[in-house]
Amino acid sequence: GAVVSQHPSRVICKSGTSVKIECRSLDFQATTMFWYRQFPKKSLMLMATSNEGSKATYEQGVEKDKFLINHASLTLSTLTVTSAHPEDSSFYICSARGQPEGSPLHFGNGTRLTVT
Amino acid sequence: AQKITQTQPGMFVQEKEAVTLDCTYDTSDPSYGLFWYKQPSSGEMIFLIYQGSYDQQNATEGRYSLNFQKARKSANLVISASQLGDSAMYFCAMRELVRTGANSKLTFGKGITLSVRP
Repeated sequence: GAVVSQHPSRVICKSGTSVKIECRSLDFQATTMFWYRQFPKKSLMLMATSNEGSKATYEQGVEKDKFLINHASLTLSTLTVTSAHPEDSSFYICSARGQPEGSPLHFGNGTRLTVT
Repeated sequence: AQKITQTQPGMFVQEKEAVTLDCTYDTSDPSYGLFWYKQPSSGEMIFLIYQGSYDQQNATEGRYSLNFQKARKSANLVISASQLGDSAMYFCAMRELVRTGANSKLTFGKGITLSVRP
């Protein structure tokens, strides 16, 4: 079945540095990928929709200069958390939808970001 | 207004028994899809079951079945013969197909924590 690979699974960084998270669709092409953020015991909050070859669409309240999204190919989207702060510490999950229409989203295993 | 509502507090079930996890939704879109995902403590999201708004029969996938009541706008997940490995958070989600198009996002409920007791 469709598989989405997300890397790294865990990252610890110092405040002020930037962190890049990769999301790859392994056996299908994904023109659209989604980035979610999840706080402990909370629902997934959609941050942005990543579109291959065009600018990402950000949800209200999400700073696009803070969370840079690049979707350079049909199998890869990246989320860069720039100038990270402790409040950015969270669990970030990417997802992509396979074919046909109506297929479920397939999720990466998530990235646990800790900013010290 | 919330589109997906999961209001149950943490749920407990005895191993081998059945449990129902509630989900209600709100949409004016005539075409939509409903999903259930399982999230164990490791954090991964595991797809369980899908129900389309025009599907005539309730969806079933192994021990999972979806009690879809369209008029009530509910899509409860039923897990039969619970196993210890079923302990996890469970999320109900909806995709509105007409209003938001082919690449529409999923809207998630807040999730329900299920604990299976031995």
